[in-house]
This record gives sequence, structure tokens and C-alpha cells, in this order.
Amino acid sequence: GAVVSQHPSWVICKSGTSVKIECRSLDFQATTMFWYRQFPKQSLMLMATSNEGSKATYEQGVEKDKFLINHASLTLSTLTVTSAHPEDSSFYICSARDQGTGFYEQYFGPGTRLTVT
Amino acid sequence: GENVEQHPSTLSVQEGDSAVIKCTYSDSASNYFPWYKQELGKGPQLIIDIRSNVGEKKDQRIAVTLNKTAKHFSLHITETQPEDSAVYFCAAVDTGTASKLTFGTGTRLQVTL
Repeated sequence: GAVVSQHPSWVICKSGTSVKIECRSLDFQATTMFWYRQFPKQSLMLMATSNEGSKATYEQGVEKDKFLINHASLTLSTLTVTSAHPEDSSFYICSARDQGTGFYEQYFGPGTRLTVT
Repeated sequence: GENVEQHPSTLSVQEGDSAVIKCTYSDSASNYFPWYKQELGKGPQLIIDIRSNVGEKKDQRIAVTLNKTAKHFSLHITETQPEDSAVYFCAAVDTGTASKLTFGTGTRLQVTL
């Protein structure tokens, strides 16, 4: 149980294009999902908190117009990197809280490697 | 806000030995402390967690201890195996008021044969 999937696992795109990453909770409902960014040999950096049916809450310094988040259902959140540039190249990871446990367990997806050329 | 420090940043042990990773947190209201294992190119995997009303929790070769007074918690891995090699992250959160985990900086564990 508690499986989170991400799609795609890796993507290469040209500078100026947009890329959408999907995050799904496969066997539980998640009213709250999180999007992280991770650079090589560094810890996870929270980008935004995604709440089902409402606007995402972005961390300081994260451009909301560049990183569009949509949490349209209890099992799906999407992150769209708009007008991507090489500096957006990174490992993007989502996580989801299992509301069913009544506590705070948070499970991570396998990550998406984005390379912008 | 919460601040979590993690030590050591790298740890090398021989197969069969024990490994200990330590974290300290700053917010006394934090009440949930998960540990994650991240293998290269993969997302973090929850391996064990502990709540503030418990001092110790064990799952086979993995155990976590929590000292609320000192505000530190530790991960203990016994009888280490090569497949334990990975980066381990601790985290903390006050589930009553905060919605997000605060992560430590990570420990790269290398288990050598």
C-alpha cells in the first residue's frame, strides 16, 4: 500500500517549452500533495503544497507563474514547468499524505528527471 | 520555523557493523519524526517513523530513538548490508499546526564488504 507514482520518469525538452509532470496516489486518497525539487547531493527543497480543490501554497522564492500546480482530484496533482530554461533542469519529486491513516505519513513518488536543453 | 540538523554527512561502515545517524530539531512542538532512504535516482522511501509519545521504535534491523528533552532523534541500523547503502534523511513536523516536513541535510551511508 501507500504507492505514489510519477509520470514521466524523465523528460528532455527544449528551452522555452512547457513540461507537465503528473503525480498520482495509487491506493489511497490524498487531499494534500507536495512538490519538491532536488539538486545533486542536496536535500529536498519544498516548492509548494498542493491541496485538492484549492490553490497551491508556494514556498518563498518559488515563482507560481512558472511552476503551475493543479490538484484536481484526490489522487492526482500536476506540476507544469512553463517556459522552461536550462536552470530548471533538476529532479522533481512529489509526495502525498495518506489521509486514511488519520496521521501524517507522507509517501514519495519515484521522481522525474527534467533536462532542459 | 523548524530547523533540523543531521550528522554525519557521510558514513562508511563495514558490512555487519552498526550505523547511527543523528538529528536535532529546534521546535519543541514537533511531534512526528520520519526517516527516509533515498537510493540514487529514486524518490525517498519512508523506512521508519516515530511520534513524540514514544521513545523508541524498532522494525527488524532498523530502530529509531527520540529524546524530546534534548530534542534529538537517531536512526540505528544493525547488521548492515550492502543494500543499505543510500542517502538517509531525517525530518520533523508539528502535525498540529504545520503542513510540511522539515528535512535534515542527509547522510550518505556506504556499506563496504
